[in-house]
Amino acid sequence: EAQVTQNPRYLITVTGKKLTVTCSQNMNHEYMSWYRQDPGLGLRQIYYSMNVEVTDKGDVPEGYKVSRKEKRNFPLILESPSPNQTSLYFCASSPSGTYIRELFFGEGSRLTVL
Amino acid sequence: AQTVTQSQPEMSVQEAETVTLSCTYDTSESDYYLFWYKQPPSRQMILVIRQEAYKQQNATENRFSVNFQKAAKSFSLKISDSQLGDAAMYFCAYRSRNAGGTSYGKLTFGQGTILTVHP
Repeated sequence: EAQVTQNPRYLITVTGKKLTVTCSQNMNHEYMSWYRQDPGLGLRQIYYSMNVEVTDKGDVPEGYKVSRKEKRNFPLILESPSPNQTSLYFCASSPSGTYIRELFFGEGSRLTVL
Repeated sequence: AQTVTQSQPEMSVQEAETVTLSCTYDTSESDYYLFWYKQPPSRQMILVIRQEAYKQQNATENRFSVNFQKAAKSFSLKISDSQLGDAAMYFCAYRSRNAGGTSYGKLTFGQGTILTVHP
C-alpha cells in the first residue's frame, strides 16, 4: 500500500531532550516536506526537500533540523525541544518537486514538550 | 512572501444544502496552484480539489467546485448537497509554479475553516 509513515504518532517529552520524528514514504517520491499544525494558524511549513541531499527552509525552521540521505526517508530532528514546539506535525510527499499536483500526507505526530 | 487567508473560522450547513468556504491569497506571481484539503477528525489530510492558475475554467470534483477569481485573488470552495461526512476542517493552500523563485518548494496554508453539518 502506498503511504507516508510517521513515527511516533504520539510523544510526550521534556524540555531539552533531543528527539527525532521519522518519516518514510514507499512511493519513490522526490519531494518531501514537514509541517506543523497549530490552532488558528493552520499548517506551516518547517522544511522541505526537492530530492536526495537537497533541503531548504520553510516558513518556521527555527529549532528544527532535517536530513535527506535516502529518497524514502526525511526525519525531523528537534535538538533541544521547547514547549513552544508542542504541536501536531505532518510529513508529506509528492512525486516531483517540480509539479506538485498533490501532496500525500502522513497521519500526523502529536508532540507535547513539558 | 505569499499569504493565504481563510476568514471564516467556523461554518455550518444543513444536510443536503450548499455551503461556500472562502479563501483569499496574496501573491505577485502569475503562475501557481491552489488547493483545498479536508481534515476530518481522524486528522488525515485529504485533497479535495486543485486549481491551476493558468486555467480559467473553475475546477469541479463531484459535489465540490471552486470559484476562482484570479484578479481578486479569491478561491472559494462550494460544497453542494452537503453530507454528514463532509464535516471536517478545510484548508486552502497555495503553491508557486515559478521554478526560479525562492519560494518554489513552499506550500502556504490558510488558517482553516471548521465545517459542521447538521442532520
